[in-house]
Amino acid sequence: DIQMTQSPSSLSASVGDRVTITCRASQGISTYLAWYQQKPGKAPKLLIFAASTLQSGVPSRFSGSQSGTDFTLTISSLQPEDVATYYCQKCNSAPFTFGPGTKVDIK
Amino acid sequence: QVQLVQSGSESKKPGASVKVSCKASGYTFTTYAINWVRQAPGQGLEWMGWINTNTGNPTYAQGFTGRFVFSLDTSVSTAYLQISGLEADDTAVYYCARAHLHYDFWGQGTLVTVSS
Repeated sequence: DIQMTQSPSSLSASVGDRVTITCRASQGISTYLAWYQQKPGKAPKLLIFAASTLQSGVPSRFSGSQSGTDFTLTISSLQPEDVATYYCQKCNSAPFTFGPGTKVDIK
Repeated sequence: QVQLVQSGSESKKPGASVKVSCKASGYTFTTYAINWVRQAPGQGLEWMGWINTNTGNPTYAQGFTGRFVFSLDTSVSTAYLQISGLEADDTAVYYCARAHLHYDFWGQGTLVTVSS
């Protein structure tokens, strides 16, 4: 099975900072990658699908990109409401594995 | 508007069974698969498997075979997750999610607590 890794596992940044989270697939998954945001006590929320397509209603400060099997979620200007854990997920075929998550908080 | 509404929290003893429901509304139920995701306390998201809402055919992830059963009642647009022989390690929040490759709508989650 394809494994998904994320880095870093956690980060602390200031309001307004640019934040980058990386997800790596152990094998090629084309563009079949999604990013989710999960706030404490809440269900995950879809942010990005197909590696770089912004889900409707998601602020434009979120963006996704890809280089081979490396995928990046970028928050261009971190806001207090962005405090959450972020997960990537491979979506090409079962098993639809999630990455281990990256916890983002405010410095 | 699309909604997935799950049944309420459950508290069970080891060895018991539980059935979690996920009622869909706002779209044609059979046009999207339903996936199930587990989140143990303080842990990440774990994909449990999915059910084809057209055929009723379930697919289970490794580690979720035997005691876990996905089912449907399409007449009421509802998917079910049944867990038998509950163990303490089954304590978690269970989510259903509508899926067409990615998961665009999620249920609110159902906390299942297993304790003697």
